[in-house]
Amino acid sequence: GENVEQHPSTLSVQEGDSAVIKCTYSDSASNYFPWYKQELGKRPQLIIDIRSNVGEKKDQRIAVTLNKTAKHFSLHITETQPEDSAVYFCAASRRRSSGDKLTFGTGTRLAVRP
Amino acid sequence: EAGVAQSPRYKIIEKRQSVAFWCNPISGHATLYWYQQILGQGPKLLIQFQNNGVVDDSQLPKDRFSAERLKGVDSTLKIQPAKLEDSAVYLCASSLDRVPYPYFGPGTRLTVL
Repeated sequence: GENVEQHPSTLSVQEGDSAVIKCTYSDSASNYFPWYKQELGKRPQLIIDIRSNVGEKKDQRIAVTLNKTAKHFSLHITETQPEDSAVYFCAASRRRSSGDKLTFGTGTRLAVRP
Repeated sequence: EAGVAQSPRYKIIEKRQSVAFWCNPISGHATLYWYQQILGQGPKLLIQFQNNGVVDDSQLPKDRFSAERLKGVDSTLKIQPAKLEDSAVYLCASSLDRVPYPYFGPGTRLTVL
């Protein structure tokens, strides 16, 4: 089955700096890569996603990049703000005849210091 | 649009007791998921339904966990008997057919003493 590894497990940055979270996946058939943000005690929420036919996608201060050859993808947050503090999960999904299967990484706890 | 509803939000039981969780997905969402999230880890898929049929239950501990989705809408997840290691947040999620990203409910935090 799919295995998704995520690094680092914790990340502390100064407000205004950039943060980068990296993930690798094992199944070359995976074709969809969402990122979720989970604030303390709340549900995971989708913040951005990328499909395998695209190398990069940007949404305001958030961007994702995908390297299919190396089977890794990254989340980039620029101009970080205290409200970006949360746990971020990457995930990989592949289409099956029985439906899409999403496998999550282990999470990165991001702390933005004011 | 109403989100995914779950109940109860919190549950404390003793080991070997039974517990059940309920989930009502977003209206029209054919796919329903149950995830287990242990503290400090990512969500792990327990079971995935497409309408009222099971499409993936490979990581469901079937000796103690069971789930059903009657009429392709609401779903219940049951644990019988519970073990200490079942302490976790149980997240229900749903998605439209052929859409790969699920919308999560608020979760049920289970503590097994």
